[in-house]
Amino acid sequence: EVQLLESGGELVQPGGSLRLSCAASGFILTSCAMSWVRQAPGKGLEWVSSLNDRGGNAYYADSAKGRFTISRDDSSNTLYLQMNSLRAEDTAMYFCARLSGGSGYDYVDFWGQGTLVAVSP
Amino acid sequence: ETVMTQSPATLSVSPGERATLSCRASHNLGSKLAWYQQRPGQAPSLLIHSASLRATGVPARFSANASGTEFSLTISSLQPEDFAVYYCQQYNIWPPGQFGQGTKVEIK
Repeated sequence: EVQLLESGGELVQPGGSLRLSCAASGFILTSCAMSWVRQAPGKGLEWVSSLNDRGGNAYYADSAKGRFTISRDDSSNTLYLQMNSLRAEDTAMYFCARLSGGSGYDYVDFWGQGTLVAVSP
Repeated sequence: ETVMTQSPATLSVSPGERATLSCRASHNLGSKLAWYQQRPGQAPSLLIHSASLRATGVPARFSANASGTEFSLTISSLQPEDFAVYYCQQYNIWPPGQFGQGTKVEIK
């Protein structure tokens, strides 16, 4: 059974850092691309970042570029999102998402339940 | 950058009625468009991929079509569990996961 378990979300001050984790089970991260998608309270879905199956190509939304880094640990089958210089507008539920293919230009075929990040003084 | 425009923002429908949602892309996507359903307090789930193919386990009352840069999702007879927010997403061109702003289907 495929599972994605996110963790790491918490209340953090503006300018602070967080690392989100997504523990995958039921499949191997190296077999597909993965994404982070966020949803601000009461708002729609916003793509944040993707990593291709080989781990060599990372893509970022303009809102994340230069501040966020997507990575993975193949030994633990875990995806990460390192978030630095956090702003109030980064407050959102962050979903880990498995993509249907390996390139990063694929649809999401499985979603985690999300981890909540709140950025506030 | 691709812009995805969904309409209407809110659709009020009675149970058992038909609902049609629209999604327009600013660029040609081919068939690389997906639809997701998000119920309140839940993560999204995949409904449709490749513009018109139902995901595994999705009821047949959900159907989708494409015509150029215009895409549509139809729910033939709304069930109570179908009242939710629906998002389209393109995965053809940059940015690779661009979503529409969503259509909320609410009970009339």
